[in-house]
Amino acid sequence: QKEVEQNSGPLSVPEGAIASLNCTYSDRVSQSFFWYRQYSGKSPELIMSIYSNGDKEDGRFTAQLNKASQYVSLLIRDSQPSDSATYLCAVRRVDFGNEKLTFGTGTRLTIIP
Amino acid sequence: DVKVTQSSRYLVKRTGEKVFLECVQDMDHENMFWYRQDPGLGLRLIYFSYDVKMKEKGDIPEGYSVSREKKERFSLILESASTNQTSMYLCASSQITAYSYEQYFGPGTRLTVT
Repeated sequence: QKEVEQNSGPLSVPEGAIASLNCTYSDRVSQSFFWYRQYSGKSPELIMSIYSNGDKEDGRFTAQLNKASQYVSLLIRDSQPSDSATYLCAVRRVDFGNEKLTFGTGTRLTIIP
Repeated sequence: DVKVTQSSRYLVKRTGEKVFLECVQDMDHENMFWYRQDPGLGLRLIYFSYDVKMKEKGDIPEGYSVSREKKERFSLILESASTNQTSMYLCASSQITAYSYEQYFGPGTRLTVT
């Protein structure tokens, strides 16, 4: 089982609709979770972080965390063509006292005008 | 704004060459990381450093070494480049606080080894 799993997509969503991206993780003691957006040919850009169960909203983006079920999701409301990108889920882990991030392989999102 | 810069956007090297990739951050972050990113495999951690002159192996350190002589600079070294090291290399930095652990990435270096 991969430490962080995402559906690779592609996920196609009409402009103006809600895009829903999901991520599951295997380490129950993980505490911090992140969503990065990566445009083609560019580096990942942090868009959301979440540390507690429940929802966290930032503009059109909402991150949802359910530690009991070990999943974290990202909702994008009123999707725009500029949201077309690959979205990477990342989970903080502690390895022999060192803290690191483990990334999923990403979900490619396409917003259809 | 956090700024992480990398010495080259594109690099072409021959098999067996020694390759240096440099990364500089301007936010006084303690932690710096080197990843490679390949299609279908995602981001994989090569090496990281939590302090000057300190380094730790990541998940795929074989064939690589690193150097951190100054806090703001973290170098990745390919001692003898091979074709399977053709990849996108990404540097990141972060500061750990009690409430956050957010990594910021540089623009990446696309390395081709022929």
